[in-house]
Amino acid sequence: AQKITQTQPGMFVQEKEAVTLDCTYDTSDPSYGLFWYKQPSSGEMIFLIYQGSYDQQNATEGRYSLNFQKARKSANLVISASQLGDSAMYFCAMREANNAGNMLTFGGGTRLMVKP
Amino acid sequence: DAGVTQSPTHLIKTRGQQVTLRCSPKSGHDTVSWYQQALGQGPQFIFQYYEEEERQRGNFPDRFSGHQFPNYSSELNVNALLLGDSALYLCASSFGPVGLNTGELFFGEGSRLTVL
Repeated sequence: AQKITQTQPGMFVQEKEAVTLDCTYDTSDPSYGLFWYKQPSSGEMIFLIYQGSYDQQNATEGRYSLNFQKARKSANLVISASQLGDSAMYFCAMREANNAGNMLTFGGGTRLMVKP
Repeated sequence: DAGVTQSPTHLIKTRGQQVTLRCSPKSGHDTVSWYQQALGQGPQFIFQYYEEEERQRGNFPDRFSGHQFPNYSSELNVNALLLGDSALYLCASSFGPVGLNTGELFFGEGSRLTVL
């Protein structure tokens, strides 16, 4: 079974509008971390936001927020006030406690395209 | 402050050849992980090096090997190249084998390998 599922291969959003990128995950480990990365055409994976499984509040980083619904095992990324520079691939990833270290499991990604 | 640097950025090899990719971690980081990203997919964890030893390994054959040097830089070696090894190889660095409470994992821009 897929551990990280991103069901939106591609999405369009109008500049200055908000957009939600979906991510669901599957783990039996009670302790885990969820990440979102942005990958522009240059290839570099840019860290956006992190949510720990025991965090009580949803993570926020500037225009990025993570809508964490633990019971549903979802960790959707919300980008507010989209900018043209937000056009890129976005990856959701998970790290489980029983695989502590730098082993991240990534989803297949969502390509976001921001329209002017 | 230099981030994670990788070399070469692009290379072309033929089947059966061997390749070595190099990574210098971000200043202050001592742990390096390698990921393989096939076209249109999310990255997959290959292995992690800390204190010059392989600490964790993903589901990759022994043709994939690595090394970490005393200055924390790392090499990824792939022997007997197959067409399916064509991918973007990403290096990530952190300070110590990262626990769950942080997203401090920085990626380089990758080395794009084409096997003909």
